[in-house]
Amino acid sequence: QPVLTQSSSASASLGSSVKLTCTLSSRHSSYIIAWHQQQPGKAPRYLMKLEDSGVYNKESGVPDRFSGSSSGADRYLTISNLQSEDEADYYCETWDSNTQVFGGGTKLTVL
Amino acid sequence: EVQLVESGGGLVQPGGSLRLSCAASGFTFSSYWMHWVRQAPGEGLVWVSRINSDGSSTNYADSVKGRFTISRDNAKNTLYLQMNSLRAEDMAVYYCARKAGGGNSNTDYWGQGTLVTVSS
Repeated sequence: QPVLTQSSSASASLGSSVKLTCTLSSRHSSYIIAWHQQQPGKAPRYLMKLEDSGVYNKESGVPDRFSGSSSGADRYLTISNLQSEDEADYYCETWDSNTQVFGGGTKLTVL
Repeated sequence: EVQLVESGGGLVQPGGSLRLSCAASGFTFSSYWMHWVRQAPGEGLVWVSRINSDGSSTNYADSVKGRFTISRDNAKNTLYLQMNSLRAEDMAVYYCARKAGGGNSNTDYWGQGTLVTVSS
């Protein structure tokens, strides 16, 4: 089954940009992923689906500041003009015919 | 508006059983695959189980296989998770979630979660 690897933490300043990475296992490098945001004390929220081509589809209501891109087995979530409410845990997700898989999550701190 | 509302969590002793429910509204429940995802305190999201739209096909994480059973009642728009032989490591917030499409699709909606505490 696929494996997703994420850095445990990241930080960036208010108003700046940050790029979070989710890396697929090599055998699954073409897989589509999804990004989810979990603000402190809340349920996760779906942000977008991201293909290996770099094409992404955002959920309605997700700010334009959020975008996705891809390179090989890496899938990225870029957040521009960071706001305080962006401080959250970010998880990537993928799936196959038998399972769903989540990455370990990246805790984003907005300085 | 899509809504997923979990219930049934609580305190249970090791070896005990619990049944979680998830009431769905705002969409045609019988058309969507559904799944359960859990999150232990301070930890990340872990997939538990999923079920296809008519309930005829299920999958489980190895950690719960043989102990948990996912099911659904499409007439009642409700998803269930029967949890038996509970262990301390099953303690977590359990989220009900909807898959955007068929089996090969992402999660697109989450419930608010229900806490399961396993302790003597």
